[in-house]
Amino acid sequence: DVVMTQSPLSLPVTLGQPASISCRSSQSLVYSDGNTYLTWFQQRPGQSPRRLIYKVSKWDSGVPDRFSGSGSGTDFTLKISRVEAEDVGVYYCMQGTHWPPTFGQGTKVEIK
Amino acid sequence: QVQLVASGGGVVQPGRSLRLPCAASGFPFSTYGIHWVRQAPGKGLEWVAVISFDGSNKNYADSVKGRFTISRDNSKNTVYLQMNSLRAEDTAVYYCVKDRRYCSSSNCNQFDYWGQGTLVTVSS
Repeated sequence: DVVMTQSPLSLPVTLGQPASISCRSSQSLVYSDGNTYLTWFQQRPGQSPRRLIYKVSKWDSGVPDRFSGSGSGTDFTLKISRVEAEDVGVYYCMQGTHWPPTFGQGTKVEIK
Repeated sequence: QVQLVASGGGVVQPGRSLRLPCAASGFPFSTYGIHWVRQAPGKGLEWVAVISFDGSNKNYADSVKGRFTISRDNSKNTVYLQMNSLRAEDTAVYYCVKDRRYCSSSNCNQFDYWGQGTLVTVSS
């Protein structure tokens, strides 16, 4: 199975400051159709996960534009340009290129 | 809007069985693949199983293969997860997750909408 490694696992941030989460895969995530199926999810405390970003950098409907995804091959990043209180939670990356789909360990974002 | 409501969770003894239904609404259910994903208490996400839009293709994580069965009834807009021979390590919140239209299982990789989850506790 493809191993997804996130860092850091804990990310204390100051309100209004940027934040960045790294996700690395053990194999290239470029699929045979040319797409890269790297997805980011947000899980707020006590809630179900919510998809934020798919195919590396495409926003889901309703996702604030302070969130952005980038990367290629095996290295990917989720950035929050200015952290707000509602961004507190755990963020997971997931690859859907290779079977079975696999998730990163999660990065807990909290306010300093 | 899209809704996925999982139910059927509870406390069950090791070795026993449980069936989780997931009722869907707000989208043309019979044309979409559906996953089950679980999350042990305080832990991360683990993919469990997927079923194609028409039920003809299914795939399972190695950790549940041979014990769990995913099925669907498109006339009732419901997906099921039949869990047999339950173990303590199956204790988790189980989420049903909508995927893309007409995906056949191994190309179901969107995970775009998640239900609210149901807690299964396996304990004697």
